[in-house]
Amino acid sequence: DTAVSQTPKYLVTQMGNDKSIKCEQNLGHDTMYWYKQDSKKFLKIMFSYNNKELIINETVPNRFSPKSPDKAHLNLHINSLELGDSAVYFCASSQDGTGNQETQYFGPGTRLLVL
Amino acid sequence: AQTVTQSQPEMSVQEAETVTLSCTYDTSESDYYLFWYKQPPSRQMILVIRQEAYKQQNATENRFSVNFQKAAKSFSLKISDSQLGDAAMYFCAYTPPGAGNQFYFGTGTSLTVIP
Repeated sequence: DTAVSQTPKYLVTQMGNDKSIKCEQNLGHDTMYWYKQDSKKFLKIMFSYNNKELIINETVPNRFSPKSPDKAHLNLHINSLELGDSAVYFCASSQDGTGNQETQYFGPGTRLLVL
Repeated sequence: AQTVTQSQPEMSVQEAETVTLSCTYDTSESDYYLFWYKQPPSRQMILVIRQEAYKQQNATENRFSVNFQKAAKSFSLKISDSQLGDAAMYFCAYTPPGAGNQFYFGTGTSLTVIP
């Protein structure tokens, strides 16, 4: 069984469109994260949620909005997509994460290509 | 600002030989965690090993071990008896206390294993 899953794996879309990426974890973890990996493979955190509450909110455009319907899901919605949004987006989860340094478990990534 | 530096963009090793990947980090904290993650061509981020800063003993996981030098802020990964399946990008990550488990990643080292 997949611990952290993301859908879709690949997403090709036009500039200006709105798209969502879904993430689910079945590990019973309280904290979930979204990362962006750019073309140079650099990984940077975007958001984290602990039990549906926003914990980390790095400087990302307002066009990115995370939504956590429950602690097992953290979806990423992107409005008005731009060319620079093309990247691989990773979801991750950890058991607690409110302040304790814990291992993060990553999903398989979603490769987004904006044309 | 928290920074993690991986000074080797690319490394190669002969199968069955040993290779060491370097990582340095910048922090004023005394209690923190360090991680090495592996990203094979499948893109999946896989935890290789983790080290708690308050533990003087170097972490080991089978063929993987670290050389943790706290005073020098150095955290290198040694892979012994390298296998073809070890070929991947390797990322070093640092997480300080009280930061919501925020991970700071290095820029990665691409490891090639030569048969």
